[in-house]
Amino acid sequence: NAGVTQTPKFQVLKTGQSMTLQCAQDMNHEYMSWYRQDPGMGLRLIHYSVGAGITDQGEVPNGYNVSRSTTEDFPLRLLSAAPSQTSVYFCASSYGGAPGTQYFGPGTRLLVL
Amino acid sequence: KQEVTQIPAALSVPEGENLVLNCSFTDSAIYNLQWFRQDPGKGLTSLLLIQSSQREQTSGRLNASLDKSSGRSTLYIAASQPGDSATYLCAVPYGGATNKLIFGTGTLLAVQP
Repeated sequence: NAGVTQTPKFQVLKTGQSMTLQCAQDMNHEYMSWYRQDPGMGLRLIHYSVGAGITDQGEVPNGYNVSRSTTEDFPLRLLSAAPSQTSVYFCASSYGGAPGTQYFGPGTRLLVL
Repeated sequence: KQEVTQIPAALSVPEGENLVLNCSFTDSAIYNLQWFRQDPGKGLTSLLLIQSSQREQTSGRLNASLDKSSGRSTLYIAASQPGDSATYLCAVPYGGATNKLIFGTGTLLAVQP
């Protein structure tokens, strides 16, 4: 198994541009989530999904959209990039029930100029 | 609102020393608690997950304990090695979904050879 994969690894955007961060998992996990990690702020939940077709907002959802059309994929869309969205983005997945161990991808580093 | 705190923020120890990392949470109604390791520029790797009904979990030189009544968890690392150098994060689920995690800001551990 490849586990949780994320693309791209690094991206530079200009303010106002849009882009999609890709996340895929091959473990047949029901649950998937997106986090951002910022210095001094730790990891914060952006959006999450408990199954195909079901998504909900986390702690910091503004400026981001998600969809979950398949079990395997959970893309994160930046609608109009802002410098405040400069961060490292992590995707995670897990089975729906106990124990709930979360498996993380390697991350995408995003720089918005 | 659940808050997770990790003290100390940074720790430097000589190789071979036993050490304890601390994690505190304000709401004791947790489903589980997970400890992660993060190497520089990398994603998170799950180390141990303790269910709310458990008191501790062990994996090799690592032992994690959970005291819900006091809102505390500790990660004990025995016979530390330079390869243990990393940031250690604890996280608890909130809001009824096990993939909605609140993270502490981590403890940066340096093990000196």
